[in-house]
Amino acid sequence: GAVVSQHPSRVICKSGTSVKIECRSLDFQATTMFWYRQFPKKSLMLMATSNEGSKATYEQGVEKDKFLINHASLTLSTLTVTSAHPEDSSFYICSVYGLSGPNTYEQYFGPGTRLTVT
Amino acid sequence: RKEVEQDPGPFNVPEGATVAFNCTYSNSASQSFFWYRQDCRKEPKLLMSVYSSGNEDGRFTAQLNRASQYISLLIRDSKLSDSATYLCVVNVYNFNKFYFGSGTKLNVKP
Repeated sequence: GAVVSQHPSRVICKSGTSVKIECRSLDFQATTMFWYRQFPKKSLMLMATSNEGSKATYEQGVEKDKFLINHASLTLSTLTVTSAHPEDSSFYICSVYGLSGPNTYEQYFGPGTRLTVT
Repeated sequence: RKEVEQDPGPFNVPEGATVAFNCTYSNSASQSFFWYRQDCRKEPKLLMSVYSSGNEDGRFTAQLNRASQYISLLIRDSKLSDSATYLCVVNVYNFNKFYFGSGTKLNVKP
């Protein structure tokens, strides 16, 4: 499977500041990446689909001005949490997505970024 | 109605036991199906894809029933290291979306 890295793995920031999370596809050219968030003991929630060279597609209820996504190359997508609030504290995970067989798409996840907003 | 539903468990089983999880999905247009494993505070890792004919990988067997819209995962000879949360994931590729179940927690005890 694809190798995906995220940076930072853990970040603590103060309310009102912005945090940028990087997602890199190390061995796979990813035209599409996904950004998820996961609260404790809950499943992953898709936030947005990041498309290389175009605007991200956000899920309903996710504020695009608060969660800025940039997918400037085939190996890098960034998620910036702007004006962070304590309720933004969560585990943010990215994934890359590609065709692995006839009509079969698989996705591989980065190790996640744990964000704590104080 | 949720796109994908799973029994959250936990399933507490002794080492060596056989355990099975089911997962139902609501969209009949779903094309691809997967089981992922997620350890505490870690990212999900692909365990296996689920094919129409069913597939087996060592102690793990996955089955797909399109008529009833469910997939299953069978784990034989459970190991302590199998303790994790198992996520059922469904892809509706026409919509370029993956839907996750809430996960089933497995605890394998000595």
